[in-house]
Parts: sequence; structure tokens; C-alpha cells
Amino acid sequence: SQQGEEDPQALSIQEGENATMNCSYKTSINNLQWYRQNSGRGLVHLILIRSNEREKHSGRLRVTLDTSKKSSSLLITASRAADTASYFCATDGYGNKLVFGAGTILRVKS
Amino acid sequence: NAGVMQNPRHLVRRRGQEARLRCSPMKGHSHVYWYRQLPEEGLKFMVYLQKENIIDESGMPKERFSAEFPKEGPSILRIQQVVRGDSAAYFCASSLKNPGQGGVEQFFGPGTRLTVL
Repeated sequence: SQQGEEDPQALSIQEGENATMNCSYKTSINNLQWYRQNSGRGLVHLILIRSNEREKHSGRLRVTLDTSKKSSSLLITASRAADTASYFCATDGYGNKLVFGAGTILRVKS
Repeated sequence: NAGVMQNPRHLVRRRGQEARLRCSPMKGHSHVYWYRQLPEEGLKFMVYLQKENIIDESGMPKERFSAEFPKEGPSILRIQQVVRGDSAAYFCASSLKNPGQGGVEQFFGPGTRLTVL
């Protein structure tokens, strides 16, 4: 299956709640990145975590990386309606290219 | 510093026509990548280019698709004799450094949405 698989496929939460998305991958990596895509738009880079890092924060975002389990999680705290989007993880395990998962569709209800 | 520019944003072609998608990387970036996104899916790598060189085209379909990044001007993704299955969003990204160095962030353009009638 595709490297960089996210779960869940879709997530619906109330504004103010936390949202957690997971990503699994197959090969060794140098880094893992998370992107957001609003419907019909381009990708916005959220955060990059290197293989020697275990956790990284950026504003309301918290990313963890477990290289032994080949998995990462993205936590969005205190979600807002504007966080509604698709979220993708991408890994560089194959050299020149980023390999994306199918994404998690997050819907935040106000 | 303008971001990655892509044009056109939307392109409609009839089966059998040619589609040309253009990408101008961020200022100072000499590494360009093209990705394709089918509906409800993630992005899939197509090709990686540096100025005047194709470095990795492992994701390019064997026929009808070609890419270039000339010394002057934007990168071009060309699709000849388009078919309905080519309908997708095509994204370009650029980076400052060689991806082989690891930890290299790729900046994405807004994409070109190709519709083949």
C-alpha cells in the first residue's frame, strides 16, 4: 500500500475540541512533513519533523514521530472552523520525491 | 518574495488536444517537482528537475507526458493527446536545496486543474 497512510480517513469534531490524525510509513526517512489543503486549493506546509526528533510544536499544532513504529501524529488543539481541510503527511523515504498519503479530511463544526 | 506560481489555474481540453502547464519556482530555487492529484487522493510524484536537467522521472507515465525546465523561463509539464483519465490537479513545488541533502522543504504552488472533456 501507499507509503504515508493517514488515519482516520475522515474526522468530524466540534469547535474547541482537539483533533488527532495519524500517519504510518514504510521505509527509513530523513524527515516527515505535514501539509494542509483547503478544498480545491494548493498545499500549505505546516510542519517538518526530522528523523532524530520525537516531538515538535508550532502554535496549536503538535507533531510526534516514532521511527521505531514508523508512525507520526498531528494534534490540532482547540480546533476552529477554519481548520476544516484535508491534512496530508509526506515522507522523503524515496530520495528526490515526497510520498503522500491519501489524507485525512477534517471537518470542524461551529 | 512571491511563492511558486502556476498557470493556468484551470485548463479545459478536449480529448486528443495538448495541455501545457507552467510553473515558476520561488525566487532563487533551482529544484522543481511536479505532482498529480486525482480526486479524493493524495499527491503522487511525477518528475523532479533542475535547470535544463531531468533528475528523476520515475513517476511520469511512459507516453504522452514530458517535462522541461529550461535555463530561462518556467518549467513546463506537457501532456499530449489528453484523455479523460488525465483530468486531475497538477501541482508544482520548488526547493532551495537538493532533496538528497535531507530535510528539504518543498513549497507548493496553487495547482492547475485540468479537465478533459
